Amino acid sequence: GESVGLHLPTLSVQEGDNSIINCAYSNSASDYFIWYKQESGKGPQFIIDIRSNMDKRQGQRVTVLLNKTVKHLSLQIAATQPGDSAVYFCAERTGANNLFFGTGTRLTVIP
Amino acid sequence: NAGVTQTPKFRILKIGQSMTLQCTQDMNHNYMYWYRQDPGMGLKLIYYSVGAGITDKGEVPNGYNVSRSTTEDFPLRLELAAPSQTSVYFCASSLNSGNTIYFGEGSWLTVV
Repeated sequence: GESVGLHLPTLSVQEGDNSIINCAYSNSASDYFIWYKQESGKGPQFIIDIRSNMDKRQGQRVTVLLNKTVKHLSLQIAATQPGDSAVYFCAERTGANNLFFGTGTRLTVIP
Repeated sequence: NAGVTQTPKFRILKIGQSMTLQCTQDMNHNYMYWYRQDPGMGLKLIYYSVGAGITDKGEVPNGYNVSRSTTEDFPLRLELAAPSQTSVYFCASSLNSGNTIYFGEGSWLTVV
């Protein structure tokens, strides 16, 4: 079956430091991956995505890295700010009409 | 654009009652989804629709029904509410299968 998991359930970082959130997936057929940010009491918000034919994609202050060899995905947030505090989910799509979500990592930014 | 709009935001139901969660999107997206999120967990797909008149089951469809009579609306129906259906429900939409999924703000449902 599908397995999308996160290595660390919580992560605390100092304001201004870089954050790295990791995610493992088990389905080698997954061809599309997304990172979502979910603030308390709100719906998931799209951050960045990457297709399996890429190994790196950059956005504004965020970078997603994909290592298909070890089925690993990471989200890097540069110069972390208090507003980045949230739960971050990775999700994978296998080509079917569904996203499989991990359980999430709670990022806390310490001022 | 308002994006994906869900109502109600909060609801308390008694066991055995029924209700409908409303969802509408104004982005002319073909695909719509209903997810549930239990405390400390990721989202699980209940039902989805690839277009008006077409619906399909997701991972956890039991106890729910949906309809898609228009492109904009995708209501979720709970016929006989059970405590196991206490959860946060998210409606979402995407232009097509390979496009970004956009979520609504969520509906908090408690069954007592």
